Amino acid sequence: EAQVTQNPRYLITVTGKKLTVTCSQNMNHEYMSWYRQDPGLGLRQIYYSMNVEVTDKGDVPEGYKVSRKEKRNFPLILESPSPNQTSLYFCASSLIITRGTGGSTEAFFGQGTRLTVV
Amino acid sequence: GQNIDQPTEMTATEGAIVQINCTYQTSGFNGLFWYQQHAGEAPTFLSYNVLDGLEEKGRFSSFLSRSKGYSYLLLKELQMKDSASYLCAVLDSNYQLIWGAGTKLIIKP
Repeated sequence: EAQVTQNPRYLITVTGKKLTVTCSQNMNHEYMSWYRQDPGLGLRQIYYSMNVEVTDKGDVPEGYKVSRKEKRNFPLILESPSPNQTSLYFCASSLIITRGTGGSTEAFFGQGTRLTVV
Repeated sequence: GQNIDQPTEMTATEGAIVQINCTYQTSGFNGLFWYQQHAGEAPTFLSYNVLDGLEEKGRFSSFLSRSKGYSYLLLKELQMKDSASYLCAVLDSNYQLIWGAGTKLIIKP
């Protein structure tokens, strides 16, 4: 079954304690991204990756790191979490969308990680 | 700046029809997506429009007018399970998805 798997689903942590949220996809997608979703603000992109070893900042990258050592995995790292990073996080993957792709290529989302930083 | 506007919340009655509008101002346009998101769950793909006109898929249809920067999602024969948020997203000139804040749809019996 095609899927994007995030772990953990729920996490409560304390300020400053490093954490990693894992994301893995089994569809051989080149493009992966991380979003945070806060009430009234919609989905905001944190980082994205067009392929292995290629990552770029999204709209709200401060306080986050990512890595893309393998095509299937795209972990999100919070080196020193703060309360303003309390949010619902989603990982997503899709095929690379380029002029030559044609048609639509939908994004597949993981189940979400609800993070609370106290 | 880039901007996508949707109503924050809408209410409709079971069995009725509802239209959720989305207007956008983005740097370039390479398609518009609609996603459905139930509370606390991941968004799931509903439709994609890149050319003007109406795309129909069962009870759901999506319309696009590129000249007006406008789209709508039409839901017919509403069911209680359609209670969810509906997200509009535009693929810009850099092939990045720009998301609206979503429209929360409440269905009443």
